[in-house]
Amino acid sequence: GPKVLQIPSHQIIDMGQMVTLNCDPVSNHLYFYWYKQILGQQMEFLVNFYNGKVMEKSKLFKDQFSVERPDGSYFTLKIQPTALEDSAVYFCASSWGDYAEQFFGPGTRLTVL
Amino acid sequence: QQQVRQSPQSLTVWEGETAILNCSYENSAFDYFPWYQQFPGEGPALLISILSVSNKKEDGRFTIFFNKREKKLSLHIADSQPGDSATYFCAASGTGYQNFYFGKGTSLTVIP
Repeated sequence: GPKVLQIPSHQIIDMGQMVTLNCDPVSNHLYFYWYKQILGQQMEFLVNFYNGKVMEKSKLFKDQFSVERPDGSYFTLKIQPTALEDSAVYFCASSWGDYAEQFFGPGTRLTVL
Repeated sequence: QQQVRQSPQSLTVWEGETAILNCSYENSAFDYFPWYQQFPGEGPALLISILSVSNKKEDGRFTIFFNKREKKLSLHIADSQPGDSATYFCAASGTGYQNFYFGKGTSLTVIP
């Protein structure tokens, strides 16, 4: 089936540094999402993105977070600066329409030291 | 406030038994409930879903039972197989919501 790729699979950085998580969504999909999952907790919605704009974001999407998809390339989540509480697995998802099935990537495990 | 709750946290059944995974939700505006299956190292994948206008949805060995009044649903996996061993997430969404609220998941182990 359609696959969403995420790069890298693991990332370890020092607190205060910037990190960019990359997502290669399904090719014909138009809606893109980021979710955050802390170990042992539920996956929580961060943000969704359509037509070059953030459509909806949760309170977890702090000012230090930003998303973009320049020229149809990777859909990225940038955190600048990172904090210890940003350590989690970040899942990217994409769908062809709103309320349509979301296809998830395998996640990027981010560790902030 | 946790919008979606799942129980049990983990479940072990023998091959051939029926596994029952439970889910409840808070927001009566939710009307779409997908269940996702996740294997280690992979992202969640849609397994089966139900709309609140239905009280039952079947797809092969997987059945969702939905009780709108009690805001509860359950996923029944009949004739469980070792390959069904995974974590199952219940999620909820609704009109006006473009995102899903996920439960914490149930880790299912099927013993041969």
